[in-house]
Amino acid sequence: GQNIDQPTEMTATEGAIVQINCTYQTSGFNGLFWYQQHAGEAPTFLSYNVLDGLEEKGRFSSFLSRSKGYSYLLLKELQMKDSASYLCAGMDSNYQLIWGAGTKLIIKP
Amino acid sequence: IAGITQAPTSQILAAGRRMTLRCTQDMRHNAMYWYRQDLGLGLRLIHYSNTAGTTGKGEVPDGYSVSRANTDDFPLTLASAVPSQTSVYFCASSAGSGSANEQFFGPGTRLTVL
Repeated sequence: GQNIDQPTEMTATEGAIVQINCTYQTSGFNGLFWYQQHAGEAPTFLSYNVLDGLEEKGRFSSFLSRSKGYSYLLLKELQMKDSASYLCAGMDSNYQLIWGAGTKLIIKP
Repeated sequence: IAGITQAPTSQILAAGRRMTLRCTQDMRHNAMYWYRQDLGLGLRLIHYSNTAGTTGKGEVPDGYSVSRANTDDFPLTLASAVPSQTSVYFCASSAGSGSANEQFFGPGTRLTVL
């Protein structure tokens, strides 16, 4: 079957670094997406990885290892506005996204 | 209009009633999607459309139908609502249906079926 696993909740301190992990099992693989979703709002795109390695975009970076079925999202210099849920989604062979339940990130001052 | 709009924002519906959730995008995107989001679960795909005139079933299509008469609109219909369809519904679109196409989401419709 297809499955995306990520931690339910994480807590971090303002100004620190946090890594959110995601493991995936999909039928075929056409890339790994990360989205941010603030409470009561729509998901918004953060990153896409299809090749192994690290993609950096400002304070956010995303890493992919296809051989391990593993990805992580790295958030640096955390700000209070980063408090949100972070959704990991794998794209399968039919180009459909399989979504994890999301990781709720709580930032403390 | 800028991006994707959904209507209504929220709705309380009696079981057995018919309901259509509206979705319109102005980005000329080919692909559109309907998801439901329930607490503790990931987004689940209900139906999708890769281009105007075509539709397909997602992971949880039962009890729902869609149509795609043109590029911009992708309504979702619940023929006879049941309490298990209480959820937040998101419409999304992407330029294409292949890899690397990020999906843009509408603001969502919160539906309660009593």
